[in-house]
Amino acid sequence: SYEVTQPPSVSVSPGQTATITCSGNKLADKYVCWYQQKPGQSPVLVIYQDNMRPSGIPERFSGSNSGNTATLTISGTQSLDEAVYYCQAWDTTAGVFGTGTKVTVL
Amino acid sequence: EVQVVESGGGLVKPGGSLRLSCAASGFTFSNYSMNWVRQAPGKGLEWVSSISAGSGYIHYADSVKGRFTISRDNADNSLYLQMNSLRAEDTAVYYCARVRAIFTGNDGFDIWGRGTMVTVSS
Repeated sequence: SYEVTQPPSVSVSPGQTATITCSGNKLADKYVCWYQQKPGQSPVLVIYQDNMRPSGIPERFSGSNSGNTATLTISGTQSLDEAVYYCQAWDTTAGVFGTGTKVTVL
Repeated sequence: EVQVVESGGGLVKPGGSLRLSCAASGFTFSNYSMNWVRQAPGKGLEWVSSISAGSGYIHYADSVKGRFTISRDNADNSLYLQMNSLRAEDTAVYYCARVRAIFTGNDGFDIWGRGTMVTVSS
């Protein structure tokens, strides 16, 4: 079965750029979504179709997908961006979530 | 307000059954594919099952295939997950999630419920 992997954690200083990767075989052949999940809350879609932002999601969230790696970038990271981020793709008809990356804003 | 609300979770013994429900409101339910996603305590997200808008396409994760059945009632704006032969590893919060675009299966999940907890333990 298809798998995507993420680094367990990323640390970033306030105002700096956080980069979260998601790796999978020929991942660029698939659309990737990203979700933000804060403790005790349901996930929130922050990026869909590799680089599209749903309405209400700040412009500091952006995405890309090339080769075997998709990337979520948070520019000008704020303390409220501290959360676990999951990537997700579709392996034909099966949904596949990444392992999750905890972003800590120090 | 666009929302989905799960119910039906609880404590069940291994080998037992449970039926989860998801009530949708604020959108044309019959236009959207729906999914169940679960999250074991302290763990990541796991996709469980999907059903297309008209119920013509249904898919399951290998971990639940043959034990879980997804269904929907568009007249009642409801999604269901019948869970049989439950195992300890099925213990998780179960989320109902809407696929973002109408009449599309493979897209992001833009509406999530708060989840319902299922605990499988003797």
